[in-house]
Amino acid sequence: AQSVSQHNHHVILSEAASLELGCNYSYGGTVNLFWYVQYPGQHLQLLLKYFSGDPLVKGIKGFEAEFIKSKFSFNLRKPSVQWSDTAEYFCAVNRGGGGNKLTFGTGTQLKVEL
Amino acid sequence: SAVISQKPSRDICQRGTSLTIQCQVDSQVTMMFWYRQQPGQSLTLIATANQGSEATYESGFVIDKFPISRPNLTFSTLTVSNMSPEDSSIYLCSVEVTRTGYTFGSGTRLTVV
Repeated sequence: AQSVSQHNHHVILSEAASLELGCNYSYGGTVNLFWYVQYPGQHLQLLLKYFSGDPLVKGIKGFEAEFIKSKFSFNLRKPSVQWSDTAEYFCAVNRGGGGNKLTFGTGTQLKVEL
Repeated sequence: SAVISQKPSRDICQRGTSLTIQCQVDSQVTMMFWYRQQPGQSLTLIATANQGSEATYESGFVIDKFPISRPNLTFSTLTVSNMSPEDSSIYLCSVEVTRTGYTFGSGTRLTVV
């Protein structure tokens, strides 16, 4: 069964600092990869996704993620965080081909301080 | 992408009672997924619901506790039965949209007292 690991459970950064959140998955076949964000009191929103093609994926709000197949990783990055990026971030994976369940990581709580 | 209407948005229920959560999708979808998000935790898949067949439950979840209906390609319900305080969570439905990803309902925040 597939599993997803997010190494950082809580991250505290100052505004303008760079961000990298780790995500590793365990499934060896074709995968689709996602990062979701959940702002306090709000619903899950899709930040970005990778299905195929360029392994460097750009999403909304200046976020990007790089798929490194050899490392089974899909780390999320942002060059300069803002206070409004304070939220919980979830990495998720499903098997390629459609019709498959999405497995979530445990989440990373990001707090950006002014 | 698909739009999901989920209701109720929140409820406070007495222990021992049951609550049925509804999800309506604005397009036909093959699979619908039901998740639980316990306080401070990630999303855990409860079951996958296909139209015309019994739902497939994940380890740790059983049909007697979480019966699911999927009467057509745009609608599904999840019932949380014989509730206890441990069932207090956010429950979400989700659908997969081809080449787009997954869309989630707005969630049902359940508190069992």
